[in-house]
Amino acid sequence: GQNIDQPTEMTATEGAIVQINCTYQTSGFNGLFWYQQHAGEAPTFLSYNVLDGLEEKGRFSSFLSRSKGYSYLLLKELQMKDSASYLCAAMDSNYQLIWGAGTKLIIKP
Amino acid sequence: DADVTQTPRNRITKTGKRIMLECSQTKGHDRMYWYRQDPGLGLRLIYYSFDVKDINKGEISDGYSVSRQAQAKFSLSLESAIPNQTALYFCATRGKEREVTGELFFGEGSRLTVL
Repeated sequence: GQNIDQPTEMTATEGAIVQINCTYQTSGFNGLFWYQQHAGEAPTFLSYNVLDGLEEKGRFSSFLSRSKGYSYLLLKELQMKDSASYLCAAMDSNYQLIWGAGTKLIIKP
Repeated sequence: DADVTQTPRNRITKTGKRIMLECSQTKGHDRMYWYRQDPGLGLRLIYYSFDVKDINKGEISDGYSVSRQAQAKFSLSLESAIPNQTALYFCATRGKEREVTGELFFGEGSRLTVL
């Protein structure tokens, strides 16, 4: 079956760095996505990885290892506004997104 | 104004009632999707459409139906609502050119409560 695993909740301190992990099992693979979702709001696109390695975009970076079925989202210089849920999603061979349940990130001052 | 608009934003209804959630978009995208989100679960695909004449079932289509009235409009219906359909529903769109990179644009969500 197809499955995405990510931690349910993480806590970090303002100004620090946090890494949110995601492992996936899909029928075929066409990329790994990260979305951010603030409470009560719509998810918004953060990143897309299809090749192994690190993609950096400002304070956010995303890493992919296809051989390990593993990705992480790295958030640097955490700000209070980064408090949100982070959704990992893998695209299968039919170009359908398989979503994880999301990681709720709590930022403390 | 939002590019992807959902109505209603909130709805409370009773078991057995028919409910329609509407979605309209101004992004000119041909692909439209309906997802539901439940606490502790990932987004689950209900139906999707690649154009007006193309409707496809997602992983949890039972109890739901859809209508693609125009390229910009995609409606989700619950013919006879039941309590386990209580959830947050999202409409999303994607341009054909984004088929591989997968960037979805979501509406603001419709929170449905079935009593």
